[in-house]
Amino acid sequence: GENVEQHPSTLSVQEGDSAVIKCTYSDSASNYFPWYKQELGKGPQLIIDIRSNVGEKKDQRIAVTLNKTAKHFSLHITETQPEDSAVYFCAASIGGGGADGLTFGKGTHLIIQP
Amino acid sequence: DTEVTQTPKHLVMGMTNKKSLKCEQHMGHRAMYWYKQKAKKPPELMFVYSYEKLSINESVPSRFSPECPNSSLLNLHLHALQPEDSALYLCASSQENRHTNEQFFGPGTRLTVL
Repeated sequence: GENVEQHPSTLSVQEGDSAVIKCTYSDSASNYFPWYKQELGKGPQLIIDIRSNVGEKKDQRIAVTLNKTAKHFSLHITETQPEDSAVYFCAASIGGGGADGLTFGKGTHLIIQP
Repeated sequence: DTEVTQTPKHLVMGMTNKKSLKCEQHMGHRAMYWYKQKAKKPPELMFVYSYEKLSINESVPSRFSPECPNSSLLNLHLHALQPEDSALYLCASSQENRHTNEQFFGPGTRLTVL
């Protein structure tokens, strides 16, 4: 089955700086890669996603890049703000036709220092 | 309505009890999911329903019994659980087509087994 590795497990950045979280996946059949933000006591919230036919996607301060050949994808958050502090999970699935569960990375605890 | 709701928010049960978790969505999604999340761990897939039929069971013990009475509702029946089953149980839903499979999560039910 799919295996998703995520690094780092904890990331502390100064407010206003950028944060980068990286993930690798093992199954070349995976073609859908979402990123979730989970705040304490809440369910995961989808913040951005990318499909294998796209190399990069941006939504305001958040961007995701995908290198399908190397089987890795990354989340980039610019101009970080205190409300960005949370646990971030990357995930992978064989999307595009049929319901398929997500395989998650172990998560990154992002801490924004004021 | 773009929300997945889960009840109850918290549940404490003994090992001999029978209880049920409930999940509801009104987004017209035809795929629904149960995930289990232990503290400081990523969500792990348990079950997938597609058009009200069980399509994926990730070798979950029979003390967990899912049910999908209609396209908007998903239940998880619990019986004879063990203390190690204490976790956050997350429900998610998604459309069921080849173009999109964004999964939207509910807030979860925090289960404690005594």
